[in-house]
Amino acid sequence: DIVMTQSPDSLAVSLGERATINCKSSQNVLYSPDNKKYLAWYQQKPGQPPKMLIYWASTRDSGVPDRFSGSGSGTDFTLTISSLQAEDVAVYYCQQYYSNPFTFGPGTKVDIK
Amino acid sequence: QLQLQESGPGLVKPSETLSLTCTVSGDSVSSSSFYWAWIRQPPGKGLEWIGSIYYSGSTYYNPSLKSRVTMSVDTSKNQFSLKLNSVTATDTAVYYCARQDNQWLVGRWGQGTLVTVSS
Repeated sequence: DIVMTQSPDSLAVSLGERATINCKSSQNVLYSPDNKKYLAWYQQKPGQPPKMLIYWASTRDSGVPDRFSGSGSGTDFTLTISSLQAEDVAVYYCQQYYSNPFTFGPGTKVDIK
Repeated sequence: QLQLQESGPGLVKPSETLSLTCTVSGDSVSSSSFYWAWIRQPPGKGLEWIGSIYYSGSTYYNPSLKSRVTMSVDTSKNQFSLKLNSVTATDTAVYYCARQDNQWLVGRWGQGTLVTVSS
């Protein structure tokens, strides 16, 4: 299984400031034949299902504000919220969809400082 | 607009079988473009992919659960289902149904349903 880890476990950021979440996969999730990184980011607010924010490591889903961005290599990835808004308080998960079983990171909780 | 709605008992006794159904609207489970998935989340914990099914009936299960999981699809009702047998308290979770594209990306989720395993 590909093990996904995230850091930090939680962070508190002032409104308007940058939040950065890191995700590491135990194996490369870059598929060479299509040169795509099989890594997604999800946002989960209390009592709600996860919502996809980013796929292919850096492509924003439709309707996702451009303050959310993703980057990374084959094993190390970052989700950045450039200017934190109150509605961004949530738990953020990374997930690899490179191979079965499709595994998630443990989550990073983002709060307002 | 795609909607996925989970249904089934909210309480299951230990050693019995958990059975859930996901009703799809706004898309067809017969679509060749998608897989249909189950994912669970124990209270206060992270997410675990259980498995996925294609309209043809082909299934893909998490090896950690494979011996206890059966998934099926009913194209006439536009539904797909999950059965998890021999449940224990550790199977207590919110169970989500979801749609995966043909590159395994989980793009859309249902609202989830809490299943508690308790006598």
